[in-house]
Amino acid sequence: DAGVIQSPRHEVTEMGQEVTLRCKPISGHNSLFWYRQTMMRGLELLIYFNNNVPIDDSGMPEDRFSAKMPNASFSTLKIQPSEPRDSAVYFCASSGYGLYTGELFFGEGSRLTVL
Amino acid sequence: GENVEQHPSTLSVQEGDSAVIKCTYSDSASNYFPWYKQELGKRPQLIIDIRSNVGEKKDQRIAVTLNKTAKHFSLHITETQPEDSAVYFCAASEGGADGLTFGKGTHLIIQP
Repeated sequence: DAGVIQSPRHEVTEMGQEVTLRCKPISGHNSLFWYRQTMMRGLELLIYFNNNVPIDDSGMPEDRFSAKMPNASFSTLKIQPSEPRDSAVYFCASSGYGLYTGELFFGEGSRLTVL
Repeated sequence: GENVEQHPSTLSVQEGDSAVIKCTYSDSASNYFPWYKQELGKRPQLIIDIRSNVGEKKDQRIAVTLNKTAKHFSLHITETQPEDSAVYFCAASEGGADGLTFGKGTHLIIQP
């Protein structure tokens, strides 16, 4: 398997623009997680899905952020409108075979810069 | 919710020496404690984990210890090598990947 695949790897946009980040989890994994990483706040869990259903979105910072998982092989994280404080690396991760297996497999991350 | 404190934030050791990174957690229900390593510009990757029914686990040069009474766990790296230079994150949860709370990370620097 190619691992968790994220796109784009880098995104530079202007404040107010819509940003869409994409993720393809490892085939067969049934849990998918979106994390945000910054120097100040470290790794923060934004939202996670189990069997395509959002389980916990309490980490989503505000209504400008939304995430979807229309099927088992694809998820999106959307920011609309974007702000400079959204600049961060966004990681998607997947985990398989039930919620209690533990290991997270991270993608390469999407580095977002909002000017 | 769970709160994980990690220290030190930066650790510099001479090549060949040992390094120890410590974490404390707040939720007594947590029973899964993984450690992730993130090299510069790369993704975090699991290096070792421990569950609450075990006090210590070892894998070659790395080991993790857990003290549930005191709610702390530690990562030990012996005979450090240049490739050990990275940021290390501890984490805790009640059972697995869901709800993992990460510490802020420790930047380990191996001095030649």
